[in-house]
Amino acid sequence: QVQLQESGPGLVKPSQTLSLTCTVSGGSISSGGYYWTWIRQLPGKGLEWIGYIYQTGSTYYNPSLKSRITISLDTSKNHFSLKLYSVTAADTAVYYCARGDNIGHNNWFDPWGQGALVTVSS
Amino acid sequence: DIQMTQSPSSLSASVGHRVTITCRPSQSISSYLNWYQQRPGKAPKLLIYAASNLLSGVPSRFSGSGSGTDFTLTISSLQPEDFATYYCQQSYNTPYTFGQGTKLEIK
Repeated sequence: QVQLQESGPGLVKPSQTLSLTCTVSGGSISSGGYYWTWIRQLPGKGLEWIGYIYQTGSTYYNPSLKSRITISLDTSKNHFSLKLYSVTAADTAVYYCARGDNIGHNNWFDPWGQGALVTVSS
Repeated sequence: DIQMTQSPSSLSASVGHRVTITCRPSQSISSYLNWYQQRPGKAPKLLIYAASNLLSGVPSRFSGSGSGTDFTLTISSLQPEDFATYYCQQSYNTPYTFGQGTKLEIK
């Protein structure tokens, strides 16, 4: 079955760029009509949808983060990536990648990666 | 953005008991509602999609119902592994949003 695994630095300095990669195994990232998604969980708080990239490369971002993020796809490596620019301590969170699926207009996330804790601190 | 309000925020119950968690969006979302379970230190897992469809492999003691602005997740007979935090998520509009979570604890 499909599995996802996040990787990247666990510590980022304020004002720098957070970069994470999600490697997909057990299936191709360029088929199936899925939405490759990033979600984060702020410490002790709920879940925030960051955005997704479709297999064609089209993206959709949360407007609250849109000016600071880029999600990209690398089909040769079967992974997708997140860049979050100009980070602050408020961006400290566990970052999850997930596969988005849908029936008609309803979109859900399954499966998820195990999560990557990223701390923003000098 | 659509605000998702879950109630209660926390709940204590005993093994074998039936529990119900409610999710109310700030506007009607038809049936575009999904439920997730998150155990401590783990990633969320999808349980139910489109309000009432049980994901393959999820025990049948879990069920979902509702539409519009009123949704429920029911666990018919609690098992020890069900003690976790549960989240609802809407996909009627982007940005997709989640409820704040309901923490289910052992009584």
